[in-house]
Amino acid sequence: KNQVEQSPQSLIILEGKNCTLQCNYTVSPFSNLRWYKQDTGRGPVSLTIMTFSENTKSNGRYTATLDADTKQSSLHITASQLSDSASYICVVSANDYKLSFGAGTTVTVRA
Amino acid sequence: SQTIHQWPATLVQPVGSPLSLECTVEGTSNPNLYWYRQAAGRGLQLLFYSVGIGQISSEVPQNLSASRPQDRQFILSSKKLLLSDSGFYLCAWTDGGLGAFFGQGTRLTVV
Repeated sequence: KNQVEQSPQSLIILEGKNCTLQCNYTVSPFSNLRWYKQDTGRGPVSLTIMTFSENTKSNGRYTATLDADTKQSSLHITASQLSDSASYICVVSANDYKLSFGAGTTVTVRA
Repeated sequence: SQTIHQWPATLVQPVGSPLSLECTVEGTSNPNLYWYRQAAGRGLQLLFYSVGIGQISSEVPQNLSASRPQDRQFILSSKKLLLSDSGFYLCAWTDGGLGAFFGQGTRLTVV
């Protein structure tokens, strides 16, 4: 069964600090991995998309890494801002039709 | 550019009443379309997906149904709502490649 597990479930960080979110998956065959940011009551918005051959991808203060051998990905947030408070969802695609979702990590940034 | 429209944004319905949520996509053709539900504090659960007009696959048996009357229109329905149908419903589409985009969601409260 294709699964995506994210950790931690939630975390609280101070404004200006860095944090790293983890995503482990068992989806096979692997096609691509996406990180989304979801504000409360809104739809998820794409942050990064990585295919098998990509190890790292950045989008502003967000940097995602992918290790396709160990089936692990991380999302690093640099110099966090209050607006980074949201849920971050890891989504792995095995084919064109089905997306496997992690449960998300809720990040709270405090001043 | 591609856009996805989902409405209504919020809905309060009595138990036993019907439901119709609509999702339309612009700027692309023959998209793969999805309906997800997100319960409070939980991850996204795939309800239905469609790879073409009239083609609907159900992931979880429940009180809901989906239809795709046109290429870029996806409708989520229920004949009689249950309290357990309350949640946040998201429509999404993929283009078979790397693109995967979500609507803004519908907050459904069944009272």
